[in-house]
Amino acid sequence: EAGVAQSPRYKIIEKRQSVAFWCNPISGHATLYWYQQILGQGPKLLIQFQNNGVVDDSQLPKDRFSAERLKGVDSTLKIQPAKLEDSAVYLCASSRLSGTGGTGELFFGEGSRLTVL
Amino acid sequence: GQQVMQIPQYQHVQEGEDFTTYCNSSTTLSNIQWYKQRPGGHPVFLIQLVKSGEVKKQKRLTFQFGEAKKNSSLHITATQTTDVGTYFCAGRDAGNNRKLIWGLGTSLAVNP
Repeated sequence: EAGVAQSPRYKIIEKRQSVAFWCNPISGHATLYWYQQILGQGPKLLIQFQNNGVVDDSQLPKDRFSAERLKGVDSTLKIQPAKLEDSAVYLCASSRLSGTGGTGELFFGEGSRLTVL
Repeated sequence: GQQVMQIPQYQHVQEGEDFTTYCNSSTTLSNIQWYKQRPGGHPVFLIQLVKSGEVKKQKRLTFQFGEAKKNSSLHITATQTTDVGTYFCAGRDAGNNRKLIWGLGTSLAVNP
């Protein structure tokens, strides 16, 4: 099966500009996650969707970050305006709904590396 | 809040030596997953443990889940240079199975 697709792979912007990342999860995966991973650190959950509903967005900086999952399939993550500390890799992951088969493991995309100058 | 502590943060070994990383949760977990992230790569799922006291093996890797379902370990026997990377544990809280709590990872370096 096709994996989790993310774009763009790399993005360089200046602070105060905006950026958007796109993710297409594995077909049939109900749960979609956006993680932020700063160099040398573990993944930090920004937002978790189940179908098109938000399960957890407690660590999403809502004054500048927004995310949506249209029709419960693909998703976009937007940052506006960007700050220097937003430089990180933004990882999208998807998983099956718990109890519908599989182990609930997360499948990650290759990530989108953002550099804010 | 709920936390998963992972130690050590870094480990540097000679090729052929063993390696162990430990995870401890502040709350009871319904299950725990382990991931490996190669330098420059993305996390890749290794295994999930569900039962109290469960032990699973994958070639040179041995995974354990504690009896109280609050701690877990990953042991690698006779490390190889291909084992280099960061190993993360991630546990699902027993009270909220939809939430996955990540450890900060253990970075493993292997000298050939």
